[in-house]
Amino acid sequence: GAGVSQSPSNKVTEKGKDVELRCDPISGHTALYWYRQSLGQGLEFLIYFQGNSAPDKSGLPSDRFSAERTGGSVSTLTIQRTQQEDSAVYLCASSPGTSGNEQFFGPGTRLTVL
Amino acid sequence: ELKVEQNPLFLSMQEGKNYTIYCNYSTTSDRLYWYRQDPGKSLESLFVLLSNGAVKQEGRLMASLDTKARLSTLHITAAVHDLSATYFCAVVGLTGANSKLTFGKGITLSVRP
Repeated sequence: GAGVSQSPSNKVTEKGKDVELRCDPISGHTALYWYRQSLGQGLEFLIYFQGNSAPDKSGLPSDRFSAERTGGSVSTLTIQRTQQEDSAVYLCASSPGTSGNEQFFGPGTRLTVL
Repeated sequence: ELKVEQNPLFLSMQEGKNYTIYCNYSTTSDRLYWYRQDPGKSLESLFVLLSNGAVKQEGRLMASLDTKARLSTLHITAAVHDLSATYFCAVVGLTGANSKLTFGKGITLSVRP
């Protein structure tokens, strides 16, 4: 079956522009996560969605970052007024639920802010 | 705050030899995951360890979990070139319902002939 997909695979933008990154989780997975991987900070949690519950936004680094999950499926991570320090690979993961379930990662979106 | 440490950060391995790498974490957890990442690629799930004493094996890799010591080990038997990659361990803390993963920095393994 299809795994987690993300688009675009690469995004180059200019400082100050807004970007949207998309994640399609595995069908039927109720939990969806966004992580960021950068050379300096390693892999960091950003935000978590579980079913219809309020998302856990505790990992978002600033109010320029936001995310939505529509219809319990597709998620969009939006970064407003991008800065150079936002350059990283943004990874999305999904899992069937919360307890003990492994997370399956998508291929990531490489964001470069010039 | 949950912290995950992996050591060493880089390991050059000789083909055919055995090695062990380590993952320590700072607070109580009973869920630990090992992932593999090849350069430019995403994370591939290797092992899910869900209880104290859990041991999982796949091919030349064997992972174990000691929750009392807050330690997981990944043992490599007779290393081969295909095992060259970066290996991350990740832990889920017990507090709250969030299953977010806290990752170590990763260990880059390089197998030489």
